[in-house]
Amino acid sequence: EAQVTQNPRYLITVTGKKLTVTCSQNMNHEYMSWYRQDPGLGLRQIYYSMNVEVTDKGDVPEGYKVSRKEKRNFPLILESPSPNQTSLYFCASRTRGALGYTFGSGTRLTVV
Amino acid sequence: GQQLNQSPQSMFIQEGEDVSMNCTSSSIFNTWLWYKQDPGEGPVLLIALYKAGELTSNGRLTAQFGITRKDSFLNISASIPSDVGIYFCAGQESSGTYKYIFGTGTRLKVLA
Repeated sequence: EAQVTQNPRYLITVTGKKLTVTCSQNMNHEYMSWYRQDPGLGLRQIYYSMNVEVTDKGDVPEGYKVSRKEKRNFPLILESPSPNQTSLYFCASRTRGALGYTFGSGTRLTVV
Repeated sequence: GQQLNQSPQSMFIQEGEDVSMNCTSSSIFNTWLWYKQDPGEGPVLLIALYKAGELTSNGRLTAQFGITRKDSFLNISASIPSDVGIYFCAGQESSGTYKYIFGTGTRLKVLA
């Protein structure tokens, strides 16, 4: 089944403890992206990647890192999480010419 | 970063009623997309609109790409309980980035 898989689905952590949210897609898509969803603010792009080793900042990149060493994987790294990073995170992918992203099921992160 | 203005923010309707929601922007977009997010899941693409003035249907859903390229609306006819969820519009920028900007979402609740 064609899909975008994120792990974990739920995570509670403490301020300052580094964490990684993994994302993998099995559709050979070139583009991958991370979004965060907050009430009243919709989906905001954190980082995106147009291909292996090509990444760029989205609208809210502060406090996050990403890497794209393989086409299928696009992990999101929080080096020192803070409470304002408590949010629902989505990974998404698409082909170069496609209209719209295919989204994962989300990771709900709580930083205390 | 830019966000799209989506209205209404939320709505309660009776089963069988028609629903209308819209999305506006100060920028011109090449493409408009409408997504639906079920509770606990990632957004799923419903309709894609390619050119100004285009009217497209998908079952009970109808969406239009505004003639000014700065707005779009989505209508749902004869709503049913499974229509509950959050509806997002997304516009693809006409600049070279081809980036997608998401709306703030319309939360729909259907009363049986």
